[in-house]
This record gives sequence, structure tokens and C-alpha cells, in this order.
Amino acid sequence: GAVVSQHPSRVICKSGTSVKIECRSLDFQATTMFWYRQFPKKSLMLMATSNEGSKATYEQGVEKDKFLINHASLTLSTLTVTSAHPEDSSFYICSARTSDNSPLHFGNGTRLTVT
Amino acid sequence: GNSVTQMEGPVTLSEEAFLTINCTYTATGYPSLFWYVQYPGEGLQLLLKATKADDKGSNKGFEATYRKETTSFHLEKGSVQVSDSAVYFCALTSGGSNYKLTFGKGTLLTVNP
Repeated sequence: GAVVSQHPSRVICKSGTSVKIECRSLDFQATTMFWYRQFPKKSLMLMATSNEGSKATYEQGVEKDKFLINHASLTLSTLTVTSAHPEDSSFYICSARTSDNSPLHFGNGTRLTVT
Repeated sequence: GNSVTQMEGPVTLSEEAFLTINCTYTATGYPSLFWYVQYPGEGLQLLLKATKADDKGSNKGFEATYRKETTSFHLEKGSVQVSDSAVYFCALTSGGSNYKLTFGKGTLLTVNP
């Protein structure tokens, strides 16, 4: 079946540094990838939609300069949290699909802790 | 806007017990409804879905019926197993955005032998 690999699974960084999270589709080409964020005891919230070769579309309230998304190939999208602060600590999950009507496949998520 | 409300967990059951996890929603238009499951250490997986009123989604012994009159999509299983221990998320899409999922908060289910 379709597999989405997310790396790293856990990362701890100091306040002010930047962190990059990778999302790879291992056995299929993902025209679109999605980035979600989950706060403790809260729903998953869609942050942005990443289309290969074009700029990401951010949801309202998500700072595009803070959360840089790059979808350089059909199998890789990256989310960079720039100048991280403790309030950015969260669980980030990516998902990918091959076409508009195909099912979503999710990564295992990345637990980010900013100290 | 769209929203999904599902019962707060955690839910702890003994093996072979009956499971119900309630889910209600508010949405514009005619949403599609989903249940996703996240097993320990793994990503979310689609468990079942229903795309129109009165549809019943089913998979791995789990069932949920799309009830438009009560705006509900409750998840049920007649006899749970230890391997069903996971977090379950109710979700919906509407307005033609088949990717813009709105999730509930998730319900942790623990099944004891």
C-alpha cells in the first residue's frame, strides 16, 4: 500500500533555531501534500496545502513566513519552522495523495518540542 | 463553518465488549464523513467512510451510519479486540473540498484482555 514517511519522528530544539520536517511518499507520486498541526487534546488543524512545483496555499491564521513549505518533487515536501518558539511545540502530521479523488495517506507525525 | 464533535476519551473496555464512539457534526452542504484510526506509533489510516445520507461505512468489524437527521456518524463495533486499541478520529469534508478534512479531537480506546 501507499506509504508516507515523515522524518524526524521527534525533535527538540532551542528557541530561535529553525527545524525542518520532511514528508516523503515512498511508493507513489504525490501531486499534493498537506500539513496538519495537532495541539494536545485538540483536533488536527490543516495548516497548508503543498502542490509540487508551486507555492503552498496556507490556511487562514497560519504564518507563511514562519512555516515555510517546499514541495520540490513529486515525492518530497518539507516544512521548516523558522525561529521556533515554545508555542510552536506541537505534533505535526503530513498527508499525501496522488490525485484529487484519491485517498489521503498520512505520515506518522513529528513531535516538535521547543525549549 | 464545519466542525466535528466526538466523545471525549479515554475509553477503556474489556475484550469482546461492545464499542460506541459518538460523533456529531455541523457542516455546510452535504459533507462526506470519515473515521480514521491511529494505531500506536503509526500514522492515521482511513477506517471507513460514507458519502451520503443513510450510507453505512464498514471495515474490520467497525460500522458507522451517516444520519443526516441527527447529524451523526457514530462508530460501533460489536466485539472489540486488544488490537483495536488506538486513537479514533471522526472527520468530514464538504463544499467540494475532498481534501480539506475537519477532524474531531480524537478518542483514545484501550482494550484490555
